[in-house]
Amino acid sequence: SYELTQPPSVSVSPGQTARITCSGDALPRKHAFWYQQKSGQAPVLVIYEDSKRPSGIPERFSGSSSGTMATFTISGAQVEDEADYYCYSTDRTGKHRVFGGGTKLTVL
Amino acid sequence: QLQLQESGPGLVKPSETLSLTCTVSGDSVSSSSYYWGWIRQPPGKGLEWIGSIFYPGSTDYNSSLKSRVTISVDTSKNHFSLNLSSVTAADTAVYYCARHWVVPGAIDWFDPWGQGILVTVSS
Repeated sequence: SYELTQPPSVSVSPGQTARITCSGDALPRKHAFWYQQKSGQAPVLVIYEDSKRPSGIPERFSGSSSGTMATFTISGAQVEDEADYYCYSTDRTGKHRVFGGGTKLTVL
Repeated sequence: QLQLQESGPGLVKPSETLSLTCTVSGDSVSSSSYYWGWIRQPPGKGLEWIGSIFYPGSTDYNSSLKSRVTISVDTSKNHFSLNLSSVTAADTAVYYCARHWVVPGAIDWFDPWGQGILVTVSS
């Protein structure tokens, strides 16, 4: 089965840049998507098609992808950005839809 | 604005069938533009796609759950439903429904999501 691999946790101080990676063999051919999930809430899409930002998502949130790794970046992280972040994509066939294991971002 | 709301029993006995409904407002489940999907999250764990449906009845299921899952759509009530049979404690999770954007070979993502409903499997 297909897997996307994320670090379990990332910690930064307020104002620093936070980077969360997601690796998967099909990422050179498939887009990555990123979701933010705050405690007790449903996931919210924050990046789609590797690097596009939905309406209403702060400009400090960005995404990129190169080879087998996609990266989600928060430039100038704020305390309110503390959350779990999940990447999402599919395998080469598009049939296996998977989420990464999630990364807990701590900002303090 | 599109909104999705999950409903159903919060407690299901082992070996029974878990049945949930997702009511859609602000769009039609018969839309030819989207799939509609279910995703779950066991307590303290990550997200798992369960399956999706494209009106009138084309379905796609996670291979690990396929033998136990049925997703259907009811246009008269503008909702879609999930049935998961022969449940065990491992099926205890928050179940989310979501609009599933799919262009085969091009794009595939979920947005927006419902608020989720916790279903506990216990006798």
